[in-house]
Amino acid sequence: GAVVSQHPSRVICKSGTSVKIECRSLDFQATTMFWYRQFPKQSLMLMATSNEGSKATYEQGVEKDKFLINHASLTLSTLTVTSAHPEDSSFYICSAPDRDIQYFGAGTRLSVL
Amino acid sequence: GENVEQHPSTLSVQEGDSAVIKCTYSDSASNYFPWYKQELGKGPQLIIDIRSNVGEKKDQRIAVTLNKTAKHFSLHITETQPEDSAVYFCAARAYNQGGKLIFGQGTELSVKP
Repeated sequence: GAVVSQHPSRVICKSGTSVKIECRSLDFQATTMFWYRQFPKQSLMLMATSNEGSKATYEQGVEKDKFLINHASLTLSTLTVTSAHPEDSSFYICSAPDRDIQYFGAGTRLSVL
Repeated sequence: GENVEQHPSTLSVQEGDSAVIKCTYSDSASNYFPWYKQELGKGPQLIIDIRSNVGEKKDQRIAVTLNKTAKHFSLHITETQPEDSAVYFCAARAYNQGGKLIFGQGTELSVKP
């Protein structure tokens, strides 16, 4: 199947700093990518839909100024957690569809101290 | 919008036994139903999927059935092995939802040797 690469796999940062997570489709192009957040022992919660060349679409309750999404090319979407706080600590996962099938990255474990 | 309910939340079976996980969905416009396996600390991996024009699909030890009238679909794993232990998520996607997947709550499957 198609490959979605997510980087970094783990990041630890201080409260108040910003963290950028990258999501790349390695062998296909994706005009749309999706960002999820997952708390321990819970399901994946869709945060936003990243659209290449246009603004992201955020799900209800997700702060767009807090979670900045940029989809500058057909193979790269980035999620920036701005002014991170301990409550932003979570597992963030991206996905991209290739011919109607969604493939997921390996996830990024964010720990905010 | 779409809502997906998944049961059971935990499932423990003996190696060699079968495991069944069930999901129901609410939106009759949903037409694609994938199943993902997620191991600890990793991103979800697609294991099988089914579209609304098909009632059953099988891939070696894994099978999925879909009942559109009742709006439910199930994952069947036969001859379970310890390496099948993971969290399994069902999902549904509506044709008119921009490709978004709505996930069930997840089932933690434990296969005891």
